[in-house]
Amino acid sequence: EDQVTQSPEALRLQEGESSSLNCSYTVSGLRGLFWYRQDPGKGPEFLFTLYSAGEEKEKERLKATLTKKESFLHITAPKPEDSATYLCAVQAGNYGQNFVFGPGTRLSVLP
Amino acid sequence: IAGITQAPTSQILAAGRRMTLRCTQDMRHNAMYWYRQDLGLGLRLIHYSNTAGTTGKGEVPDGYSVSRANTDDFPLTLASAVPSQTSVYFCASKSDRAIGDTEAFFGQGTRLTVV
Repeated sequence: EDQVTQSPEALRLQEGESSSLNCSYTVSGLRGLFWYRQDPGKGPEFLFTLYSAGEEKEKERLKATLTKKESFLHITAPKPEDSATYLCAVQAGNYGQNFVFGPGTRLSVLP
Repeated sequence: IAGITQAPTSQILAAGRRMTLRCTQDMRHNAMYWYRQDLGLGLRLIHYSNTAGTTGKGEVPDGYSVSRANTDDFPLTLASAVPSQTSVYFCASKSDRAIGDTEAFFGQGTRLTVV
C-alpha cells in the first residue's frame, strides 16, 4: 500500500540548533517529492521539489535531500521564524496528477 | 496578485444544510484539487479535476461533489452537511508540464464548522 510518513511528529529546537526532519515513502513510480511549509491558519507554501535519488536543493537555512525510500529536510541554525508545520508530499504513477501528503512535522524554534 | 482565492474564509453551518465552497485561480492551471485537513490526519484529497470538464474522486469523496465548468473555477458542494465534515478545506492548483512535475499552489483555506 502506498504510504507517506513523517517523523518526528513534533520537534522543539533552540535557536541555532540544527536538526533534520524525515519523510519516508512507499509508492510505485515516484514522479516527484515535494516539501511544503504551513503556518497556522494558512495554506501550505511550496518549498522544494525533488525528482530523483541523490538530488539536493537548498533555500536559506533549509536543504532537502532524496533517497530511494526517504527524504530529509535539514534545518541549519534555525531561527524562530522557521517555526511551522513542514509537510511532505509525493506524486506517483498510480495517482496521475494527484498528491499524497504525509501528516507533517510541527517545528518550534525557541529564542 | 496571481493565485488562488477561496471563499468564505470561515463558516458555521447547521447540519443538513447545503453549502458551496468557492475556489478561483487566475494562473490558468489545468489541474485543481480539493483537500480537507484534520488534526492528526493531514491533508486528504476529496476530489480533483485534471482539466476543465472532467472531475475525479479522491480518497474521501463521500458527501461532496464538484464541478469544473471552466479553467478558473472549481466549487465544492456539501449537499447535506454533517458534523464529521467539520474541517479546514484547501483548494489547490497546478500546471501541466511535459517534462517533470510541478508543485501545487494552495489557497488560504476555508474553516467549516458543522453544528
